[in-house]
Amino acid sequence: QKEVEQNSGPLSVPEGAIASLNCTYSDRVSQSFFWYRQYSGKSPELIMSIYSNGDKEDGRFTAQLNKASQYVSLLIRDSQPSDSATYLCAVYGGYNKLIFGAGTRLAVHP
Amino acid sequence: EPEVTQTPSHQVTQMGQEVILRCVPISNHLYFYWYRQILGQKVEFLVSFYNNEISEKSEIFDDQFSVERPDGSNFTLKIRSTKLEDSAMYFCASSEKSGVSGNTIYFGEGSWLTVV
Repeated sequence: QKEVEQNSGPLSVPEGAIASLNCTYSDRVSQSFFWYRQYSGKSPELIMSIYSNGDKEDGRFTAQLNKASQYVSLLIRDSQPSDSATYLCAVYGGYNKLIFGAGTRLAVHP
Repeated sequence: EPEVTQTPSHQVTQMGQEVILRCVPISNHLYFYWYRQILGQKVEFLVSFYNNEISEKSEIFDDQFSVERPDGSNFTLKIRSTKLEDSAMYFCASSEKSGVSGNTIYFGEGSWLTVV
């Protein structure tokens, strides 16, 4: 059974700080990794995708992938209250199937 | 920006009734999916669909479920005889390509199904 594990949180950070979200996955052959943001009652919204070891930056977001250790992380710099949401880590688990973690709830307080 | 659209946004149905959830994927996308999320739980894969047939399905997608692309734009999920445990948010999704690197799956806003 392929699994994606995340700390459920809540992760509470002050406005302007760096939020660090982590995810581990069980399938060693996984190649594609995604971070989605989900506001309460809404659909997942793609934040970042990463396919190669190392860092990938997009604005205030940086995704980090370490395939040897089977973890992927998301850093959010200069966190804003509008970043408060649940962040879902997802991994391709098959031909066209995303396997999601349970999500980490992030709370950014002013 | 192109988006996946779903109807209805919310449906309440009696146990045992048939439900059809509708989706219009992004127009140049060829791969279509349904996921569901029970309140407070993970987003779970149900089924993927390509070239007018199911390409992969999960254990959740049993004989009570079916998918169809009745015309060039719509993609539907039918639940034949709903159970209380089918209450969930159902997300339709689509992608231009399949599988690995470079493929992004876009989600619709969801259809919230309540079975009473």
